[in-house]
Amino acid sequence: GQQVMQIPQYQHVQEGEDFTTYCNSSTTLSNIQWYKQRPGGHPVFLIQLVKSGEVKKQKRLTFQFGEAKKNSSLHITATQTTDVGTYFCAGASGGYQKVTFGTGTKLQVIP
Amino acid sequence: DTGVSQDPRHKITKRGQNVTFRCDPISEHNRLYWYRQTLGQGPEFLTYFQNEAQLEKSRLLSDRFSAERPKGSFSTLEIQRTEQGDSAMYLCASSRGTGSSDYGYTFGSGTRLTVV
Repeated sequence: GQQVMQIPQYQHVQEGEDFTTYCNSSTTLSNIQWYKQRPGGHPVFLIQLVKSGEVKKQKRLTFQFGEAKKNSSLHITATQTTDVGTYFCAGASGGYQKVTFGTGTKLQVIP
Repeated sequence: DTGVSQDPRHKITKRGQNVTFRCDPISEHNRLYWYRQTLGQGPEFLTYFQNEAQLEKSRLLSDRFSAERPKGSFSTLEIQRTEQGDSAMYLCASSRGTGSSDYGYTFGSGTRLTVV
């Protein structure tokens, strides 16, 4: 079955430093979604990428979808304590509507 | 738009008992999903409805699990003869999609199940 891996599993950064998480799928994806889950909370949708090579920005967050549509990345510039949480990518493939979630990257920001 | 509601928030049950969870999706959303999440892991897909039709069911879902979405509105997830391995957060999500496109999931706050 489809597998979606993320690296790193954990990341501790000083406030103000940049952060990047990488997502890799075992199969070609039709789209990739990104979610943020705060400690004790539920996943919250951030963005969806559909096109090969697509890049989207949301304030300090930059999302990329690979040319082969098998990988993606999320980059946060100048992290803040409000960025703390686990970031999940989630991909759909093979015409299925449901997405498979990645393993997640837990971000800790040290003030 | 009041979001996705799940009930109950917490459930503690003895092994072997049956439990039922309810999910009320966003009313305009035609798709409804159930996921299960254990500590430190990403959500795992369980099943998916488009309107009232159950279109996909994970192999993770044994015969003890059943889900329904009568009339394409709220959904229920029942677990029969619970086992300790069923302890997890059960998340419901809904989305508005057409064809193979989707617009992101809105998750509920989940039901945390503890089997003792």
